[in-house]
Amino acid sequence: DAGITQSPRHKVTETGTPVTLRCHQTENHRYMYWYRQDPGHGLRLIHYSYGVKDTDKGEVSDGYSVSRSKTEDFLLTLESATSSQTSVYFCAIRVAGGSYNEQFFGPGTRLTVL
Amino acid sequence: DQQVKQNSPSLSVQEGRISILNCDYTNSMFDYFLWYKKYPAEGPTFLISISSIKDKNEDGRFTVFLNKSAKHLSLHIVPSQPGDSAVYFCAAFFQGAQKLVFGQGTRLTINP
Repeated sequence: DAGITQSPRHKVTETGTPVTLRCHQTENHRYMYWYRQDPGHGLRLIHYSYGVKDTDKGEVSDGYSVSRSKTEDFLLTLESATSSQTSVYFCAIRVAGGSYNEQFFGPGTRLTVL
Repeated sequence: DQQVKQNSPSLSVQEGRISILNCDYTNSMFDYFLWYKKYPAEGPTFLISISSIKDKNEDGRFTVFLNKSAKHLSLHIVPSQPGDSAVYFCAAFFQGAQKLVFGQGTRLTINP
């Protein structure tokens, strides 16, 4: 499972509240990603990181921010949650070497914004 | 702008038969393609990949075919088993982008 954990696994919150999701890895991989999965849209990239304090936007980054102060942790923050951000969020890491472009995913966080 | 498309949201196949999942892409710069499998309440797991310099890659019951001229790839599962029931995502990558682009997914159901 590439040592990826996500917390919390489930969260219900109200519109307008801030929410932070955490992704933790135990193997010091350089690249980490945040995706959201929605019916009819597949997996869409929100933000990714290529090192400590190095991050970049994905295709659906509006309303989200990220931080990576340590190699092992990649945080996704919804500054003011909206109902359109109700989704399942997946963190992933990219493993260098072998099938170089593989990404390994965490178990996901189901977020409901009421 | 959907660069990777899976036009079939669902597919139902009899156990023991062949399952064929299709994927189309628009960006000719993609040079690596992957298939992921996802069970409910779990993260996607890597299944098989293919480089753009090849047209076929096999791994046990799974074979991926790439037709670059048509910008089309397909995943064949032979024989299909009940445990293959899942959502399948195709994804594409090109060097320098550092990120995957995913299709919408196809839900495969294997009927006994």
